[in-house]
Amino acid sequence: DGGITQSPKYLFRKEGQNVTLSCEQNLNHDAMYWYRQDPGQGLRLIYYSQIVNDFQKGDIAEGYSVSREKKESFPLTVTSAQKNPTAFYLCASSIAQGTYEQYFGPGTRLTVT
Amino acid sequence: AQKVTQAQTEISVVEKEDVTLDCVYETRDTTYYLFWYKQPPSGELVFLIRRNSFDEQNEISGRYSWNFQKSTSSFNFTITASQVVDSAVYFCALSEAAGNKLTFGGGTRVLVKP
Repeated sequence: DGGITQSPKYLFRKEGQNVTLSCEQNLNHDAMYWYRQDPGQGLRLIYYSQIVNDFQKGDIAEGYSVSREKKESFPLTVTSAQKNPTAFYLCASSIAQGTYEQYFGPGTRLTVT
Repeated sequence: AQKVTQAQTEISVVEKEDVTLDCVYETRDTTYYLFWYKQPPSGELVFLIRRNSFDEQNEISGRYSWNFQKSTSSFNFTITASQVVDSAVYFCALSEAAGNKLTFGGGTRVLVKP
């Protein structure tokens, strides 16, 4: 079955630690995205990638980093510089970057204490 | 800059009632795309529909229908004969043709009671 996987579903970390969230897709999509969702709010774009080895900052990139070494994978690292890292993180992909519909993974709920 | 407003934060209905979710958008582009997504309690967003700015025909898919009115910059979504499984948060989103991202509204939580 084609889709997007994110693991783990729940993640707990201590303040000051970096943590990497995984995102894998087997849809053969070129574009991939990371969003953050806070309780009761919409989604905000963190980073996006149109093609392997290339990515751009979204609206709230500070304190986050990404890599895109393979088409299928777009991991997100939440660094200790991110002031409020506790949130629900969603990964998405689309055929190409721009106006195509995006398909989402199940999300990772990160709690930092 | 593009913006999407979903003024209704939460709607509660009894099963079999119809429910309409409002979406108002702002954009300076003449070519743009509008989307609706459903987020059930599990958290994953499910794509429902994509509509381009040149196609103002209303669309119906089963119990779902969409009303796109360019004159009022609105793209409203109606669920007919609601069911408990329709309980979710629904997001409206906008993408400009020359842009590179989706802008989401704040979402509307729909609670369908049996």
